[in-house]
Amino acid sequence: DAGVTQSPTHLIKTRGQHVTLRCSPISGHKSVSWYQQVLGQGPQFIFQYYEKEERGRGNFPDRFSARQFPNYSSELNVNALLLGDSALYLCASSLSTLDTQYFGPGTRLTVL
Amino acid sequence: EDKVVQSPLSLVVHEGDTVTLNCSYEVTNFRSLLWYKQEKKAPTFLFMLTSSGIEKKSGRLSSILDKKELFSILNITATQTGDSAIYLCAVEGGNAGNMLTFGGGTRLMVKP
Repeated sequence: DAGVTQSPTHLIKTRGQHVTLRCSPISGHKSVSWYQQVLGQGPQFIFQYYEKEERGRGNFPDRFSARQFPNYSSELNVNALLLGDSALYLCASSLSTLDTQYFGPGTRLTVL
Repeated sequence: EDKVVQSPLSLVVHEGDTVTLNCSYEVTNFRSLLWYKQEKKAPTFLFMLTSSGIEKKSGRLSSILDKKELFSILNITATQTGDSAIYLCAVEGGNAGNMLTFGGGTRLMVKP
């Protein structure tokens, strides 16, 4: 069975640009969460979506937004990129908001 | 503010040694504590603990939760080089969906 998939694997952008990251959950999972992991730190919660609705939001600026599609895949958008946005962006899926979260391989974003 | 603290930050042992990793937490609306192993990118799920005093075991790995003292330990016996990784402790709770609050991780290196 396919696990959580994310694209792209790596991405290099310059300050001020916009980026879109994509995530496909495990088949049958309806909840998707996004985390940011800066080098040397643990992941930090950004968003959770369930059945296309936002169910939780972490302490991130409005430059970060996300959505979930009818097939339960999700996009994370970041506008006006800053150097500090350089990180590994992890997507996790779960059956519902009460179940164990399983992580994808992440997208490594570098902002120059 | 929700907080998860892991210790030690890093650990170097030799194959065959036993290690104990620590995780303490202060999280509102605690629901569960999870351990993940992160080798390159995707954190892989190890254990979920919800009840105090009940040991979870998987091969050479075991974990236990103390909800009164707000901590958990992860034990690895007869360590192997393949156990080298970052071990992340996460607590499910807070006020946003089933968001995970992660500790900073313990970097374990097992030498042959």
